[in-house]
Amino acid sequence: GPKVLQIPSHQIIDMGQMVTLNCDPVSNHLYFYWYKQILGQQMEFLVNFYNGKVMEKSKLFKDQFSVERPDGSYFTLKIQPTALEDSAVYFCASSPGTANTEVFFGKGTRLTVV
Amino acid sequence: QQQVRQSPQSLTVWEGETAILNCSYEDSTFDYFPWYWQFPRESPALLIAIRPVSNKKEDGRFTIFFNKREKKLSLHITDSQPGDSATYFCAASVNYAQGLTFGLGTRVSVFP
Repeated sequence: GPKVLQIPSHQIIDMGQMVTLNCDPVSNHLYFYWYKQILGQQMEFLVNFYNGKVMEKSKLFKDQFSVERPDGSYFTLKIQPTALEDSAVYFCASSPGTANTEVFFGKGTRLTVV
Repeated sequence: QQQVRQSPQSLTVWEGETAILNCSYEDSTFDYFPWYWQFPRESPALLIAIRPVSNKKEDGRFTIFFNKREKKLSLHITDSQPGDSATYFCAASVNYAQGLTFGLGTRVSVFP
């Protein structure tokens, strides 16, 4: 089936540094999402993105977070600066945005902030 | 406060038995309830979904029972197979454009 690819699968970064998580969504999808999952907790919605704009964001989407998809390339989540509590698995997802409401997830990027 | 709650946290059944996974929610504006399953080191994947206009949705061995009045739903896995061993997430949303709200998941183990 359609696949959402996330690069890299693991990333370790020093606290205070910037990190960019990359996502290659399904090619004809229109809505893009980021979710965050801390070990042992549920996956939580961060943000969704449509037509070049953030449509909705949760309280977890701090000011240090930003998303973009320049020129239809990777959909990225940037965290600048990173904090220890940003350590989590970040899942990217996309959906067609039509009557088909299925949301497709990537395998996640495990971010460790040290 | 968790908007979507799941129980039990984990469940073990023997091959051929029926596994029952429970889910409840708070927000009465939710109108889409997908169940996702996730195998280790894999992406969560859509298993089956229901909208409140129905009180039952069946897909092979997987059936969702939905009670809108009580804000509860359950996923029944009949004739469970070892390959069904995974973590199952109940989720809810107002529409596809908004984010999904996930439960904590139920880890199902099916022993032969």
